Amino acid sequence: DGGITQSPKYLFRKEGQNVTLSCEQNLNHDAMYWYRQDPGQGLRLIYYSQIVNDFQKGDIAEGYSVSREKKESFPLTVTSAQKNPTAFYLCASGGTVNTGELFFGEGSRLTVL
Amino acid sequence: AQSVTQLDSQVPVFEEAPVELRCNYSSSVSVYLFWYVQYPNQGLQLLLKYLSGSTLVESINGFEAEFNKSQTSFHLRKPSVHISDTAEYFCAVSGTGGFKTIFGAGTRLFVKA
Repeated sequence: DGGITQSPKYLFRKEGQNVTLSCEQNLNHDAMYWYRQDPGQGLRLIYYSQIVNDFQKGDIAEGYSVSREKKESFPLTVTSAQKNPTAFYLCASGGTVNTGELFFGEGSRLTVL
Repeated sequence: AQSVTQLDSQVPVFEEAPVELRCNYSSSVSVYLFWYVQYPNQGLQLLLKYLSGSTLVESINGFEAEFNKSQTSFHLRKPSVHISDTAEYFCAVSGTGGFKTIFGAGTRLFVKA
């Protein structure tokens, strides 16, 4: 079945460590997105990519980095510079007809101890 | 730029009662509008969308939403809720031709027996 796969689902890390969250899609979508979700704040855009080898900062990019070497993959690295990294991270992709409709993965919950 | 306001953070309701979750948006361009549903520790799933045409859109599980351009609203309604409707609901907007989708803060619907 087509869809978006995020891994790991749960991740625990110590302060000061970089962590990388995986996102893979087999929907043949050009656009991919990373959102951060905190209670009561909805979803905030971290980074997005409209095409391979290109990506743009979203509203809260500081302390995060991404790459887009393949159409199917858009990994997110949470660096030690991110001051409050504990959150639920959601990866999404956008359809070939650009209406803004998004398809989401199951999410990755990162807890920094 | 677009923005989305969900007017209620939590809505408790008894089973089989009607419910309305309110959403207002602002935008300087024409918009596409969406409602997504999120169950605990899962990603978001598209519930329904307005792209063009009829201003009343329906989902397969009995929800409906009406696009009201003059009031810049896209309220979600269901005439009779079930326990299984308990979830968080997000209203979202994207500008026509744009890649960025903006989300509201979410409304937690809690259906009581």
